[in-house]
Amino acid sequence: QQQVKQSPQSLIVQKGGISIINCAYENTAFDYFPWYQQFPGKGPALLIAIRPDVSEKKEGRFTISFNKSAKQFSLHIMDSQPGDSATYFCAATYTGGGNKLTFGTGTQLKVEL
Amino acid sequence: ETGVTQSPTHLIKTRGQQVTLRCSSQSGHNTVSWYQQALGQGPQFIFQYYREEENGRGNFPPRFSGLQFPNYSSELNVNALELDDSALYLCASSLPGISGNTIYFGEGSWLTVV
Repeated sequence: QQQVKQSPQSLIVQKGGISIINCAYENTAFDYFPWYQQFPGKGPALLIAIRPDVSEKKEGRFTISFNKSAKQFSLHIMDSQPGDSATYFCAATYTGGGNKLTFGTGTQLKVEL
Repeated sequence: ETGVTQSPTHLIKTRGQQVTLRCSSQSGHNTVSWYQQALGQGPQFIFQYYREEENGRGNFPPRFSGLQFPNYSSELNVNALELDDSALYLCASSLPGISGNTIYFGEGSWLTVV
């Protein structure tokens, strides 16, 4: 049973545009939602994370929006740059889960000039 | 750099063989997790070790086993390799306890089973 659904599978955005990636979860016990960025041949790197007690978190050009009632959260990349081209994964975990992450299926982002 | 190092980076094995992958975690991180990432998929949790004991396991068969050593380094062992075991194997380290402790991933070990 896939507990975190991610869309779209791939995304092409023009330089300077906004990239939006969406995730939905099923397990209401999840209480920590990180986003990871992965470049080819590299391991995932933590980008930004949010807890369900806030509806939005912003770090630089990256913003997470969180809707607890809908069990959805999204990543917004403002002023997208070619260097942002990578695969993005949403993930979720819960207190007592031992830091076990449940990942989405990933979104391959390409930012074109 | 995350401070998590894995070896080897790439290896090719034959179906039925056994493989051992190694991970050195970030200094002070006594919790180590292993993930399998098939091509084009998100990482899947295999298991986690805390203080040298397995502390949580995903939906993987017993032929996937591990060890954690007193210095918190870890090994992932896979017996009776199958073609579907071909994947990127990721090690992640963190502090234990509440969720949200930053989890750092290594670069991974690419395993190809032929």
